[in-house]
Amino acid sequence: SQQGEEDPQALSIQEGENATMNCSYKTSINNLQWYRQNSGRGLVHLILIRSNEREKHSGRLRVTLDTSKKSSSLLITASRAADTASYFCATDNAGNMLTFGGGTRLMVKP
Amino acid sequence: DSGVTQTPKHLITATGQRVTLRCSPRSGDLSVYWYQQSLDQGLQFLIQYYNGEERAKGNILERFSAQQFPDLHSELNLSSLELGDSALYFCASSVRGDQDTIYFGEGSWLTVV
Repeated sequence: SQQGEEDPQALSIQEGENATMNCSYKTSINNLQWYRQNSGRGLVHLILIRSNEREKHSGRLRVTLDTSKKSSSLLITASRAADTASYFCATDNAGNMLTFGGGTRLMVKP
Repeated sequence: DSGVTQTPKHLITATGQRVTLRCSPRSGDLSVYWYQQSLDQGLQFLIQYYNGEERAKGNILERFSAQQFPDLHSELNLSSLELGDSALYFCASSVRGDQDTIYFGEGSWLTVV
């Protein structure tokens, strides 16, 4: 069963715009990890945010976590065509067994 | 490049056959994981090993088995293959195997015909 659910399922924006993806989950977590997957390729780790953290940054990425609402968001600022990919949130609620959502397909148009 | 190496990258085999997927974790990582990604089921956790011992089991079929060897590399064995086993199989690794960052390999594409 899926723990995390991403919203929207698909997002299309112009280069230079910001992209926001949301993730909701159902049970308490130890941490939440965001991954990027280019079509048919491997999963690239973006950010890990722990349950006691509220916000983390990495370059153009900003992740927030609201444990009271059981939700997280990934913001990509100043998007580039190379950011086109699927983005997944994965929750760790039991010793590193990640449960993935269905992903958000992001298309950045040049 | 995550540092997790998987072979083969692509594999086509017939129903009823058996295949072995191989994984070398990142240097220094003690824990290895296997995940399956399919169109209908999405990304699903199969099994985790830590320093040679099975630590957690997810939605892994009885026809599937895995092991982690003393040199920490891992193999996933898939037997009596069915069409529905066609998927992208990921290996991942992490240092401690508990609440730490998990790095994924490029995956092994399995097509069962």
